[in-house]
Amino acid sequence: EAQVTQNPRYLITVTGKKLTVTCSQNMNHEYMSWYRQDPGLGLRQIYYSMNVEVTDKGDVPEGYKVSRKEKRNFPLILESPSPNQTSLYFCASSPLQGRSPLHFGNGTRLTVT
Amino acid sequence: AQSVSQHNHHVILSEAASLELGCNYSYGGTVNLFWYVQYPGQHLQLLLKYFSGDPLVKGIKGFEAEFIKSKFSFNLRKPSVQWSDTAEYFCAVITNRDDKIIFGKGTRLHILP
Repeated sequence: EAQVTQNPRYLITVTGKKLTVTCSQNMNHEYMSWYRQDPGLGLRQIYYSMNVEVTDKGDVPEGYKVSRKEKRNFPLILESPSPNQTSLYFCASSPLQGRSPLHFGNGTRLTVT
Repeated sequence: AQSVSQHNHHVILSEAASLELGCNYSYGGTVNLFWYVQYPGQHLQLLLKYFSGDPLVKGIKGFEAEFIKSKFSFNLRKPSVQWSDTAEYFCAVITNRDDKIIFGKGTRLHILP
């Protein structure tokens, strides 16, 4: 089944404790992206990647890192999480940026205390 | 900068009522347009898309949207809503300027049984 898989679904952590949210897609998509969703603010793009070893900042990259060592994986790294990073995170992928709909993962709800 | 406006943040309707959710974008060139739906606790799913051709597009679950270029609009419609349509709806636009997808802030639809 074609899908984007995020893990974990729920995560509660404390300020400053490094964490990684994984994202994997099995559709051979070139384009992958991370969004955060907050009430009243909609979806905001954190980082995106056009292909392996190519990553770019989105609208709200501060406090986040990503890597794209393999085509299928696009982990989101929070080196030192802070409470303002409490949010719902979505990973998404598509075959071509700008021309195809995005396929979204199931989301990761992160709480930083 | 390009932007997407969804006029209604929260809409409450009774079952069988007709629905129209507004979406306007700010870009004068070629666009691809999307509506995504997010059911409670789930990820975003594609509802329908417009790339070219007939400006009236039909999506899943009886939804349709009309692209009116002169009004920079892509409103979502459904003639008779059901309780199961309770969800958040996001309009999204990709322009031919930079191929970047831009999301509206979403409209939360609540259908009363």
